Amino acid sequence: DIQMTQSPSSVSASVGDRVTITCRASHGISTWLAWYQQKPGKAPKLLISAASTLQGGVPSRFSGSGSGTDFTLTISSLQPEDFGTYYCHQANSFPFGGGTKVEIK
Amino acid sequence: QVQLQESGPGLVRPSETLSLTCTLSGASFSTYYWSWIRQPPGKGLEWLGQIYYTGSTSNNPSLDSRIAISIDTPKNQFSLQLSSVTAADTAVYYCARAFYSNNGGGFYFDYWGQGILVTVSS
Repeated sequence: DIQMTQSPSSVSASVGDRVTITCRASHGISTWLAWYQQKPGKAPKLLISAASTLQGGVPSRFSGSGSGTDFTLTISSLQPEDFGTYYCHQANSFPFGGGTKVEIK
Repeated sequence: QVQLQESGPGLVRPSETLSLTCTLSGASFSTYYWSWIRQPPGKGLEWLGQIYYTGSTSNNPSLDSRIAISIDTPKNQFSLQLSSVTAADTAVYYCARAFYSNNGGGFYFDYWGQGILVTVSS
């Protein structure tokens, strides 16, 4: 089974900071990777598909990169509404990463 | 506007079968995959399984012996049954629509229901 490991598990940053979240797959998964944002009490929201394809309506400060086993989600300039938990997801055999909680300082 | 709404009992007894229904509005089932995902309180997400509009299914191997997903296209509903539940099955259960990306491959959940909390307790 493929395992997805996210780091860090939590991050606290100031508005305007650049935030990077990493996701590592235990085996190569090409670009079969998604990033989701979840706010408390809400369903997750798809931000990025196929490792780097930004979904419609998602602000351009979000970007994704990587292939194979190592992936990153970058928020170029953190905004107050970006708080929440971010999950990576292996899009073919379906395991999710453990999540990264983003807090605003 | 695509909308998904979960429904079903909020409390299930241990060893019984959890049954949930997801009602779709604003879209049709065709060409998409329809999934169930759960989240135990305070924990991460777990994909349970999915059904294609043709009726073919794919399940999480860790739950495969306990899970059944079905679809009723005339009623615009698909359903989850999880048998022999224990306290470990207590979670918020989400239904979601997944599309397959021809650009890079993979299944991506673009619409979600609001989720329904199911507690397993006697």
